[in-house]
Amino acid sequence: AQKITQTQPGMFVQEKEAVTLDCTYDTSDPSYGLFWYKQPSSGEMIFLIYQGSYDQQNATEGRYSLNFQKARKSANLVISASQLGDSAMYFCAMRASGNKLVFGAGTILRVKS
Amino acid sequence: NAGVTQTPKFQVLKTGQSMTLQCAQDMNHNSMYWYRQDPGMGLRLIYYSASEGTTDKGEVPNGYNVSRLNKREFSLRLESAAPSQTSVYFCASSGLTGAAYYGYTFGSGTRLTVV
Repeated sequence: AQKITQTQPGMFVQEKEAVTLDCTYDTSDPSYGLFWYKQPSSGEMIFLIYQGSYDQQNATEGRYSLNFQKARKSANLVISASQLGDSAMYFCAMRASGNKLVFGAGTILRVKS
Repeated sequence: NAGVTQTPKFQVLKTGQSMTLQCAQDMNHNSMYWYRQDPGMGLRLIYYSASEGTTDKGEVPNGYNVSRLNKREFSLRLESAAPSQTSVYFCASSGLTGAAYYGYTFGSGTRLTVV
């Protein structure tokens, strides 16, 4: 069965510093995709970044990068130069068989000024 | 704006009442999904429809039914609401993106309270 584990229920980071949010996954499928979503207090799900299992390079999108370590089955999100607006819930997710999206429990990030 | 539209945004039901959550997408996506979000548990899949005319159970289907009315619309029905179904419900659709991977677009959510 496919599973996503996020072990950090909550994180604090100082404004302008970098922060890493952890995500490990479990799947036996050779082809899969990993996603990170941001959910601010307003509740919408905002897509941040995608990593395919066959992608050779780590994905980057502006201040977001995904540290993909396939052998360790980890897909950590790195946010550089944190901003107050980054305070939100962050979900790691994996595209599973049947194109279903399986989510982790999430990490609440608080950025301090 | 293109995307996934869910109605209603808020709903309060009494135990035993029924209701249908509506979802429509205008991105010509084949696959559609219903998730529920509870505190500390992330989003859990209730039902999904891989293509028009097909539906399958997800992780937590008990107490729900779905209908894929056409390619655009996927509805979720609670036949006899229970307090355990108090949650935030998200509809989503998926399809190939410009970057050639399957991306997922979410509706804004429905906050349902069953009293």
